[in-house]
This record gives sequence, C-alpha cells and structure tokens, in this order.
Amino acid sequence: QKEVEQNSGPLSVPEGAIASLNCTYSDRGSQSFFWYRQYSGKSPELIMSIYSNGDKEDGRFTAQLNKASQYVSLLIRDSQPSDSATYLCAMSGNQAGTALIFGKGTTLSVSS
Amino acid sequence: DTAVSQTPKYLVTQMGNDKSIKCEQNLGHDTMYWYKQDSKKFLKIMFSYNNKELIINETVPNRFSPKSPDKAHLNLHINSLELGDSAVYFCASSPQGATGELFFGEGSRLTVL
Repeated sequence: QKEVEQNSGPLSVPEGAIASLNCTYSDRGSQSFFWYRQYSGKSPELIMSIYSNGDKEDGRFTAQLNKASQYVSLLIRDSQPSDSATYLCAMSGNQAGTALIFGKGTTLSVSS
Repeated sequence: DTAVSQTPKYLVTQMGNDKSIKCEQNLGHDTMYWYKQDSKKFLKIMFSYNNKELIINETVPNRFSPKSPDKAHLNLHINSLELGDSAVYFCASSPQGATGELFFGEGSRLTVL
C-alpha cells in the first residue's frame, strides 16, 4: 500500500527562523510531489510542487526531493506567525487514474 | 465567484438517516474528487470522476454513492449514516493532466449523532 509519512508535530519555531518539514514515501514509482497548506477550519491549498531531484524555490519556500532516499522536505525561511498551519505532503504516481495520496500532515506553530 | 463550491457546509443528522452533499466547479476542469478528512486531519481519497466517468473508487462502503451529472458537478449521497461517517468531506477538482494540482471546496462538515 502506498503511504506518505509525516511527523504530526507540532513543530514550533520562533518568528524569523527556518521551519523544516519532512516527508517520506513508500512507492518508488511516485513521480510527483506536492505540499499543501491547511489553516485550521479551512480547505487545503497547494503551495509547492516538485517533480525532479533537487531543490525548487518559490519565495520563502523551498521544496527538496531525493528520490533515491524517498524523501521530500519543505523549508520555510523567515517564518511568520501567518505560516502557522498544517502542512500536508502528497504524492502521485505516473499511472492514469491514480489520485493524490496525502500524509497526515505536520502542524507548524510560529511564535512572535 | 467561488471556484469549487459545496453545499451544505454543515450537516447534523441522526444515525440511519440519508444525506447528500453537492459540489460544483466553475474552473473548467475535467476531473473531480471526493476526499474525506477525519478528526485526525487525515485526508483520504474516496472517489474520482473524469468527465462524468468514475475512474477511482477506493474502499468505501457502498452506502456512499457519487453521481456526476456533468463534468462541472459531483454529488455525494450517503445512505444509512453511521457514527464513523462523521468527518469533513472535501470536493476538489484538477486540470487535465495535472492530477496533483487540486482545487478544494470549503468542505462539508458532517456530524452523525
């Protein structure tokens, strides 16, 4: 069974620090990886996608993918209280008709 | 205009009742989904439709029946509700060829008493 593992946290960081969120996955055939952010009581929203090994940067966010180690991470630089949310790691395979599989999420708390 | 809209946002009902949730998207996407998020925030796929055709049907009790009258609408009907059905149900859609880029509705919180 394809699984995505995340530490549920909470991960607490002070404002301005770097928050590091990690995710491992079981299916070596997985091709695409995503990070969604979900504020309490709200719906998930896509913040990053990554498809090849290495780093991908978008503003304060950097996604890192290592397919050999089956590991995905999200770094948030200069963390702000508004970044406090649950971050969901997700993966999809390369087969038609497969849906996104989510991890259980890591709750991030940024204190001012 | 809300891109993916679900109704109702809240449902409170007794065990054994039947309820429906409706979803509509105005993004022009071909693929729509139902996800269930339990009390521990675990988001799990239930069904997926591509242009009105069912393409994913995970291990879901047959009390749950999705229906897609057209590619912009995906409804979920639940028969004989049980306590364990209490959850937030999210509808989502994705563009063709980008099944990882989900656009979620606001969710429908179902409470079964």
